[in-house]
Amino acid sequence: DAGVIQSPRHEVTEMGQEVTLRCKPISGHDYLFWYRQTMMRGLELLIYFNNNVPIDDSGMPEDRFSAKMPNASFSTLKIQPSEPRDSAVYFCASSFSGDEKLFFGSGTQLSVL
Amino acid sequence: GQQLNQSPQSMFIQEGEDVSMNCTSSSIFNTWLWYKQDPGEGPVLLIALYKAGELTSNGRLTAQFGITRKDSFLNISASIPSDVGIYFCAGQTTDSWGKLQFGAGTQVVVTP
Repeated sequence: DAGVIQSPRHEVTEMGQEVTLRCKPISGHDYLFWYRQTMMRGLELLIYFNNNVPIDDSGMPEDRFSAKMPNASFSTLKIQPSEPRDSAVYFCASSFSGDEKLFFGSGTQLSVL
Repeated sequence: GQQLNQSPQSMFIQEGEDVSMNCTSSSIFNTWLWYKQDPGEGPVLLIALYKAGELTSNGRLTAQFGITRKDSFLNISASIPSDVGIYFCAGQTTDSWGKLQFGAGTQVVVTP
């Protein structure tokens, strides 16, 4: 079975540019999570969805960040405008309702110059 | 920020040795999870624990849910080179479903 699929694997962009990260959760999973990983702060939850509806976005750092889930098999995390401090690895994870076990994608390494 | 205290931060061990690491929390958790992350990849679930005192094994890995519900331990027996990676604990309180808290990770290096 295919796991959580993220694209791109690597993204290098210049400050001020818009960045869009993509995620396809595991089929049948109804929860989707976006995490950010940095050396300083470790793994941080940014936002999560249930049945395509955002449930908790308290971890989204600023208005420059937005996330959408237009259907059960696709989600995006957008940063506009991007800043160097946004450089991190962004992970998408999914889970099945009622199960705390999260399954992570391989991540997107974002570098903002 | 992180509310879990994971230790040690790193370990350098010889192949064949056993490894132990632990996590403690100021909050009572109803679930403990242990993940391993290889370079350039996402965390992969190793073991899930749901009850205080629970002891669960997955091959050479054994994890325990502390009886106080505020700690958990992971042991790796007879380490091999592919055990290299970062191990994370993660926990969840009863009133925060969906918001796993992650430890800072334990970097394990195995030398032949």
